[in-house]
Amino acid sequence: KQEVTQIPAALSVPEGENLVLNCSFTDSAIYNLQWFRQDPGKGLTSLLLIQSSQREQTSGRLNASLDKSSGRSTLYIAASQPGDSATYLCAVRQTYKYIFGTGTRLKVLA
Amino acid sequence: ETGVTQSPTHLIKTRGQQVTLRCSSQSGHNTVSWYQQALGQGPQFIFQYYREEENGRGNFPPRFSGLQFPNYSSELNVNALELDDSALYLCASADEGGEQFFGPGTRLTVL
Repeated sequence: KQEVTQIPAALSVPEGENLVLNCSFTDSAIYNLQWFRQDPGKGLTSLLLIQSSQREQTSGRLNASLDKSSGRSTLYIAASQPGDSATYLCAVRQTYKYIFGTGTRLKVLA
Repeated sequence: ETGVTQSPTHLIKTRGQQVTLRCSSQSGHNTVSWYQQALGQGPQFIFQYYREEENGRGNFPPRFSGLQFPNYSSELNVNALELDDSALYLCASADEGGEQFFGPGTRLTVL
C-alpha cells in the first residue's frame, strides 16, 4: 500500500531564506508526482508536475526534483516571501488513484 | 479557459440527510476525481470518473456515489450523512498529461 510522508510537518523561516520541503513515498511504481499549494480553507493550486521519466521541473522560484528509485521528491523554494506562507502538499499517482501526503505548513516571517 | 468550479461553497446538513455537491471541470478534461479533506489532513481519494464511467474508487462506502455528465460537469452524492462526513470536498479535473486542477472546494458541516 502506497504511503506518502512529508517532512517537516511545519516550518517557520525569515523572509529571504531558501528552503527545502521533503516528500517520500513507499512504492516507486508511480506515473507522476505533483506538488500543490493550499491556502487555509481553500482548494489546491498546482505548482509543479513531474512525470515518472523526469528528474526535475522548475517554475520561477520553485524547483522540484524526483528520485523514483529512492522514493523521494524535494520542493526547493528560493528567496522565500511572506506570500509563500501556505500548506504545501505532494501527491503521487498510481493508475487512476492519487495519494497525498499530509502536507508541510510553511510560514515566512516578514 | 475557465478553471474548475464547485457549488455550493458551504453547506450545513443534519445527520441522516442526503447531499449533492457539484463540480464543473475545465473544458476538454475528460477525467474528474473527488476527494475528501478532513481538517489538518491531506485529501483522501473518493473516486474518479472518465468519460462518464467510474474507473476507480478509494476506501469509501457505497453511500458515496457520483455522476459525470457530457458537459464536463459532475456530482458527488452522499446518503445517510454521518458526523464524520464533515470535511472539505474537492473535485479535480485532469488533462491528458495527468496534471490535476482543483476547484475551491465545498465545506460540508454535518450536525
